Amino acid sequence: EDQVTQSPEALRLQEGESSSLNCSYTVSGLRGLFWYRQDPGKGPEFLFTLYSAGEEKEKERLKATLTKKESFLHITAPKPEDSATYLCAVQPSSSGGYQKVTFGTGTKLQVIP
Amino acid sequence: KAGVTQTPRYLIKTRGQQVTLSCSPISGHRSVSWYQQTPGQGLQFLFEYFSETQRNKGNFPGRFSGRQFSNSRSEMNVSTLELGDSALYLCASSFLQGASVNEQFFGPGTRLTVL
Repeated sequence: EDQVTQSPEALRLQEGESSSLNCSYTVSGLRGLFWYRQDPGKGPEFLFTLYSAGEEKEKERLKATLTKKESFLHITAPKPEDSATYLCAVQPSSSGGYQKVTFGTGTKLQVIP
Repeated sequence: KAGVTQTPRYLIKTRGQQVTLSCSPISGHRSVSWYQQTPGQGLQFLFEYFSETQRNKGNFPGRFSGRQFSNSRSEMNVSTLELGDSALYLCASSFLQGASVNEQFFGPGTRLTVL
């Protein structure tokens, strides 16, 4: 069974204090790993898709990296508006074209001014 | 391009009632997935529809059902509501082509409260 574990569950940072969120996964072959941002009471907002180990993607203060067992979401010099829950999800290669995506429970990030 | 829309945004029902939620995907997207999100369980997959056919189903009781119409709009129905069905119900659409990776784009959700 596919598993996604995110850590820490919650993270509190001072504005400008860089850090990383972790997503560990167990899947029988990876077709894609996704990162989403979710604000309270809203639907998740798509951030990145990573396909293979060694790949990196950046968007503003966020950079996502991927290894064979985990992914990191690095947040550089965060601002209060980066406060949200960040979700990681995996799609196994066995799923074909189907959306058999498994989500982690997320890391709740709070950035304090 | 308009995003995924869900209606209604909020619902309050009592135990034993049934409810129907609606989702309109992004134009051109043919796959619609439904998720239940609760604080304790996170995002739990309900089912996925593609071209009016259910292709995947999560581990939910038969009280949860859905359908997709020819214009890709989808509905999900929950019958005989229980207190534990209180949750944020999310719809996600994606453009599926072949066996490639497809990112899902989520709607704002329907907040269902069962009293």
